[in-house]
Amino acid sequence: EADIYQTPRYLVIGTGKKITLECSQTMGHDKMYWYQQDPGMELHLIHYSYGVNSTEKGDLSSESTVSRIRTEHFPLTLESARPSHTSQYLCASSDRRELPPPEQFFGPGTRLTVL
Amino acid sequence: AQKITQTQPGMFVQEKEAVTLDCTYDTSDQSYGLFWYKQPSSGEMIFLIYQGSYDEQNATEGRYSLNFQKARKSANLVISASQLGDSAMYFCAMREGGGYQKVTFGTGTKLQVIP
Repeated sequence: EADIYQTPRYLVIGTGKKITLECSQTMGHDKMYWYQQDPGMELHLIHYSYGVNSTEKGDLSSESTVSRIRTEHFPLTLESARPSHTSQYLCASSDRRELPPPEQFFGPGTRLTVL
Repeated sequence: AQKITQTQPGMFVQEKEAVTLDCTYDTSDQSYGLFWYKQPSSGEMIFLIYQGSYDEQNATEGRYSLNFQKARKSANLVISASQLGDSAMYFCAMREGGGYQKVTFGTGTKLQVIP
């Protein structure tokens, strides 16, 4: 069973607010990811990290930022939320070892609504 | 060009019948991996099955099997003996190359199992 947690699960917030979406995993995984997913649509990678102090932008441009100060923690921050940020945000992690299957373990997601 | 193509936006299947969800992929890498994930309405992503590009046998996990046709670049998911709990979105995904574990997702297929 995956041990990856996201808080909050649901967030409704007004335009212009600063928000941080939390993601933590207890599996000791080096690699962590943030995906953005609109309802019924595919996942888009917005950020990833290969380890502490390593962060990279993903395939989809995002106004959010991330940090990786501890292995287990990979928070995502929006400095000024806008209605276009309304979406589901999924955090995932994976083991750096190439043991099959090399799947990513996903958290339960945060559904963000910006009014 | 799309790296992962799922041509069936929605599918219906009768309970206890088998169903095949299509997935084709595009890559020039020799080493890659293919995944299927299930996403119920609750939003979490559940890993189902994995096929490595060098695996000679089709992957199987319980009622799930992956019909891997390398020359045709297809990786269809077969669910046998469908259950009502199988109703969900199903995503095909691909990891190219080694080490990075960046994964590209398809647009998904919504499967509905009819009693």
